[in-house]
Amino acid sequence: GAGVSQSPSNKVTEKGKDVELRCDPISGHTALYWYRQSLGQGLEFLIYFQGNSAPDKSGLPSDRFSAERTGGSVSTLTIQRTQQEDSAVYLCASSPSSPYEQYFGPGTRLTVT
Amino acid sequence: SQQGEEDPQALSIQEGENATMNCSYKTSINNLQWYRQNSGRGLVHLILIRSNEREKHSGRLRVTLDTSKKSSSLLITASRAADTASYFCATDAGGTSYGKLTFGQGTILTVHP
Repeated sequence: GAGVSQSPSNKVTEKGKDVELRCDPISGHTALYWYRQSLGQGLEFLIYFQGNSAPDKSGLPSDRFSAERTGGSVSTLTIQRTQQEDSAVYLCASSPSSPYEQYFGPGTRLTVT
Repeated sequence: SQQGEEDPQALSIQEGENATMNCSYKTSINNLQWYRQNSGRGLVHLILIRSNEREKHSGRLRVTLDTSKKSSSLLITASRAADTASYFCATDAGGTSYGKLTFGQGTILTVHP
């Protein structure tokens, strides 16, 4: 079946602009996770959704970052007023429940110039 | 922040040899997982070992877990050029962590034909 998909695959934006990153999880997976991978920080947890609610937002780096999930499916990660340190690969993962193995999408490479 | 460390940071071997990667972590866990990443993009789940398990096998993979030493190892036997990738361990603390994974820095494995 279809895996986790993310769009866009690459995004180049100017400092100060807002960006939206999209994640389509595997159908039927109730848990959805966002991670960020950068050279300096490695792989970092950002936020977790169970259904449409986000019980754990502890990894969001600042109030410029927000995420939502609608219909228990698609999720959008929004970064407002982007900064150069936001440049990274943003990875989305889903799982049938929590805790469980996670299925990762291919990621969105964000470059802030 | 990273949960622990992996060593070696890089490993270069010949096809047919075995590859061993080690992971140490700091806090108690519910389970530990190993993932593989090709070309810096999506991660692929390899194996999950629960805190009450000591060893697990999957094909050419063998994972051990020593909770008293807070360490795990991944052994790939009879390596192939296609095993070239980055390998990450990830810990799930359980409880209110909701399956949030904390990743190590990873080991870059290169298998020469």
